[in-house]
Amino acid sequence: GAVVSQHPSRVICKSGTSVKIECRSLDFQATTMFWYRQFPKQSLMLMATSNEGSKATYEQGVEKDKFLINHASLTLSTLTVTSAHPEDSSFYICSARKGMDRWNTEAFFGQGTRLTVV
Amino acid sequence: DAKTTQPPSMDCAEGRAANLPCNHSTISGNEYVYWYRQIHSQGPQYIIHGLKNNETNEMASLIITEDRKSSTLILPHATLRDTAVYYCIVRVVMNYGGSQGNLIFGKGTKLSVKP
Repeated sequence: GAVVSQHPSRVICKSGTSVKIECRSLDFQATTMFWYRQFPKQSLMLMATSNEGSKATYEQGVEKDKFLINHASLTLSTLTVTSAHPEDSSFYICSARKGMDRWNTEAFFGQGTRLTVV
Repeated sequence: DAKTTQPPSMDCAEGRAANLPCNHSTISGNEYVYWYRQIHSQGPQYIIHGLKNNETNEMASLIITEDRKSSTLILPHATLRDTAVYYCIVRVVMNYGGSQGNLIFGKGTKLSVKP
């Protein structure tokens, strides 16, 4: 299967600082990537959809100025958590849709990034 | 996308088949059934998907009822490494070039494989 890599896998930062998380599709081109957030013992919640070369689409309740998404190439999307606070501590996961194949409907996930804001 | 219902948890003995049910009574004709699993502190892993025919791959089998209102994921010989939360998701076929394709996760079934 296709490989999606996230970096870093774990990060601890001080309150008020910004953290950037990278999501790369290693062996395929991803025109669309998705960012999810997962709090302990809860399911994944979609935050935003990232399209290469255009602005991201955010889900209701997700602050676009706080969670900056950039999808500058077909293999890289970044999520920057700006002015992080302890309540932003969570497990952030990206996924990528493979190519433009109408019938290819699998989504491939990164290994996730555990963010702890202290 | 249609909503799914899964039991919150299940146990399975190591080496036995694990049968995970999923109800999706409001599924529409253009929606696929997908199964993913999430091992603790990892990203979800794709398992299998299907439209109306039964499907099998190296990981599992997917049995979809004739009316498509429910399905069962079968892990034929469960191992301890299969302990995970299993998510059943129904989703429309993505449009060409569109930005659809995000997966909406429910609470899934926590499968515990015991020695």
